[in-house]
Amino acid sequence: EVQLVESGGGLVQPGGSLRLSCAASGFTLSDHYMDWVRQAPGKGLEWVGRTRNKANRYTTDYAASVKGRFTISRDDSKNSLYLQMNSLKTEDTAVYYCARVERYCSSWGYWGQGTLVTVSS
Amino acid sequence: DIVMTQSPDSLAVSLGERATINCKSSQSVLYSSNNKNYLDWYQQRPGQPPKLLIYWASTRESGVPDRFSGSGSGTDFTLTISSLQAEDVAVYYCQQYYSIPFSFGPGTKVDIK
Repeated sequence: EVQLVESGGGLVQPGGSLRLSCAASGFTLSDHYMDWVRQAPGKGLEWVGRTRNKANRYTTDYAASVKGRFTISRDDSKNSLYLQMNSLKTEDTAVYYCARVERYCSSWGYWGQGTLVTVSS
Repeated sequence: DIVMTQSPDSLAVSLGERATINCKSSQSVLYSSNNKNYLDWYQQRPGQPPKLLIYWASTRESGVPDRFSGSGSGTDFTLTISSLQAEDVAVYYCQQYYSIPFSFGPGTKVDIK
């Protein structure tokens, strides 16, 4: 059974850093593109960024709103995905989801339950 | 960047009746080389992560009830729930994956009348 479990969320001050993790199970992480998507409280969904699979050399892309501040990485040996968030702003407050890109349709077929990041002084 | 819009913002439909949600992209999401629309629909129930319903604009994901259907091409798309059930109360989002940055519509909230 495919499972994605995020962790690492919490309260952080503006300008601070946080590292989110996404533990994957039930599939081989290196085969898949993986994305982070966020949702501010009571708001819609926003794509954060992508890491491609091993065959595509783990290249990454980011939304303009986080580029230069957030970094996506992965450790396929641990079946884990990470989101390093630096220089956090109050507008980064959101639930952060990791999601698996399905190879047969390029959409997000599996999502974690999300982890809440609150940026506040 | 591609901007996605949806209408209406919310709608209330009686049980067993049809619900229709519209989605429009600021530019075509039809990829000419494979004739596929890079548009999908997600359902998000309260307190839950989104769930994939429809991909390639009209292909139902495995396990999704056949009362959900998607249509449209280019820039104009529709999600139809043919006979609304109580468990369909949720927010529905369209999303384009034609080009980065991927983008979502603002969502349409569906309730029971």
